[in-house]
Amino acid sequence: KNQVEQSPQSLIILEGKNCTLQCNYTVSPFSNLRWYKQDTGRGPVSLTIMTFSENTKSNGRYTATLDADTKQSSLHITASQLSDSASYICVVSAGGSQGNLIFGKGTKLSVKP
Amino acid sequence: NAGVTQTPKFQVLKTGQSMTLQCAQDMNHEYMSWYRQDPGMGLRLIHYSVGAGITDQGEVPNGYNVSRSTTEDFPLRLLSAAPSQTSVYFCASSIRDRGSYEQYFGPGTRLTVT
Repeated sequence: KNQVEQSPQSLIILEGKNCTLQCNYTVSPFSNLRWYKQDTGRGPVSLTIMTFSENTKSNGRYTATLDADTKQSSLHITASQLSDSASYICVVSAGGSQGNLIFGKGTKLSVKP
Repeated sequence: NAGVTQTPKFQVLKTGQSMTLQCAQDMNHEYMSWYRQDPGMGLRLIHYSVGAGITDQGEVPNGYNVSRSTTEDFPLRLLSAAPSQTSVYFCASSIRDRGSYEQYFGPGTRLTVT
């Protein structure tokens, strides 16, 4: 069964600190992996999309990595800010149409002053 | 561009009532989708459309109908609301970008069924 597991479920860090969120997947076939940021009460917003051949991709202070061999991805946030408080969702595409996106449950990040 | 818009933002229904959640996009995207988001669960796909006149079922289609008469609009109809349909509903539109589909989500509709 295609699954996306994220850890930790929730995380609290102090402003200015770095953190890493994890995503493990068992999805076949694999097309691409995305990370989304979802602020409370809003829709998800795309941070990165990585295909099989991409190992790392950055978007400002967000850096995503992908290891297609171990089927793991991470999202590293550098020098966290209060505005980083949100849920971060890992999504894996099994290719083809929009019906083949498998969503993780998300990691809820709280950044405290 | 307004992006993806959804109305209403909040709605309370009684069991058995019907209603339509509206979704519109002004980006000329071919693909549109409806998801529901429940506490402790990932987003789940209800229905999706690959173009005007073409729709298909997702993971949790029961109790919902869709149609796509234009590229811009993709309404979601609840036929007879049930408490199990209490959820936050997100509409998304997609465009193919270098082999991947970049999704843009609307702000959501929070629905409570009593």
